Amino acid sequence: RKEVEQDPGPFNVPEGATVAFNCTYSNSASQSFFWYRQDCRKEPKLLMSVYSSGNEDGRFTAQLNRASQYISLLIRDSKLSDSATYLCVVYAGGGNKLTFGTGTQLKVEL
Amino acid sequence: EPEVTQTPSHQVTQMGQEVILRCVPISNHLYFYWYRQILGQKVEFLVSFYNNEISEKSEIFDDQFSVERPDGSNFTLKIRSTKLEDSAMYFCASSVGLARNEQFFGPGTRLTVL
Repeated sequence: RKEVEQDPGPFNVPEGATVAFNCTYSNSASQSFFWYRQDCRKEPKLLMSVYSSGNEDGRFTAQLNRASQYISLLIRDSKLSDSATYLCVVYAGGGNKLTFGTGTQLKVEL
Repeated sequence: EPEVTQTPSHQVTQMGQEVILRCVPISNHLYFYWYRQILGQKVEFLVSFYNNEISEKSEIFDDQFSVERPDGSNFTLKIRSTKLEDSAMYFCASSVGLARNEQFFGPGTRLTVL
């Protein structure tokens, strides 16, 4: 089983739509969880941290289910500028290593 | 807003040559990292560095790789004898501390080994 697993997509949605991405992780000792956004050939940029039962930031909501080892990201009222790859990232402690999923590609269309 | 910077943005080298990639982490951050991303693949951890020591390294980070903090601001990754398969985007990141561990990434250096 992969350490962090995501559906690669692409998800093609119209502007204004609500879209949800899922992620599962294999290490039950994982401590912190993040969503990063990566534009083509650019660096990952921190979108949200997910520390406990969930997190909301404007149009973005992240949920964590530790029992199922599952994280989700919901984007409401999607904009053209939301088009990017969304990376599910997990921290399991120790030396501060982050483990990345392969990412889910989102394309928001007119 | 403070940010991580990296130089050069693109490095082309011949197989077998040494390269040094440079990073300036965010000034009040104490933990520094290198990651790489081969084109079309996921971001992979290479090494973490704290208090002038490596705190964790991956299997990728073999004897050909080394890291250094030569002064109070720079953090470098050296690849001693580059291979074709070292071609990738190399990202430097930094974080304030261990507990929150929100890592902020630099723009990357694209390394092309010919």
